[in-house]
Amino acid sequence: KAGVTQTPRYLIKTRGQQVTLSCSPISGHRSVSWYQQTPGQGLQFLFEYFSETQRNKGNFPGRFSGRQFSNSRSEMNVSTLELGDSALYLCASSFPTRSGTDTQYFGPGTRLTVL
Amino acid sequence: AQSVTQLGSHVSVSEGALVLLRCNYSSSVPPYLFWYVQYPNQGLQLLLKYTSAATLVKGINGFEAEFKKSETSFHLTKPSAHMSDAAEYFCAVSAGFYTGGFKTIFGAGTRLFVKA
Repeated sequence: KAGVTQTPRYLIKTRGQQVTLSCSPISGHRSVSWYQQTPGQGLQFLFEYFSETQRNKGNFPGRFSGRQFSNSRSEMNVSTLELGDSALYLCASSFPTRSGTDTQYFGPGTRLTVL
Repeated sequence: AQSVTQLGSHVSVSEGALVLLRCNYSSSVPPYLFWYVQYPNQGLQLLLKYTSAATLVKGINGFEAEFKKSETSFHLTKPSAHMSDAAEYFCAVSAGFYTGGFKTIFGAGTRLFVKA
């Protein structure tokens, strides 16, 4: 079974631009979460989606948005990019179970550099 | 609210020595606890997880962790370090999908160095 895929793997943008990152979860997984990883702030939760609905949102400004499609693929968008948005953006997918064996599987990430 | 504290941003051990990476957590609900490993320029790989089935959890690559509720700890150990274990390790806590959602909180990470 293929893992979580993220595209593109690397992006270079300039301040003020916007960017869209894509995540394809493992087949059958309906929960997708996004995280931002930076050297200064570490790993921080951005959003969680399930069945096209945002269930949770982290403490990020409104410039960060996301969505999930009916096939569970997810995109996140960052508008009006700032230098501080340079980070590794990780996507994780999961097949939630009531037994509590939930496991999030992470993709390789998209490395965004803002110049 | 949930939080995770990893003690020691860097740990150095000799090859063959015991690996001990410390993690303390706080959670207002029964937690799901995880240890992940990250190699350079890669995503996170799950090492092991605690979901209340057993307090001693065995993971991949010879790692294990013990959940101690009284100490709110979930330390990661490996009896004998290998050069390939050099990486960054993250402890994480989540409420679980049905009890709050996957807004996983990660510790700051511990970089493990293994000396030959």
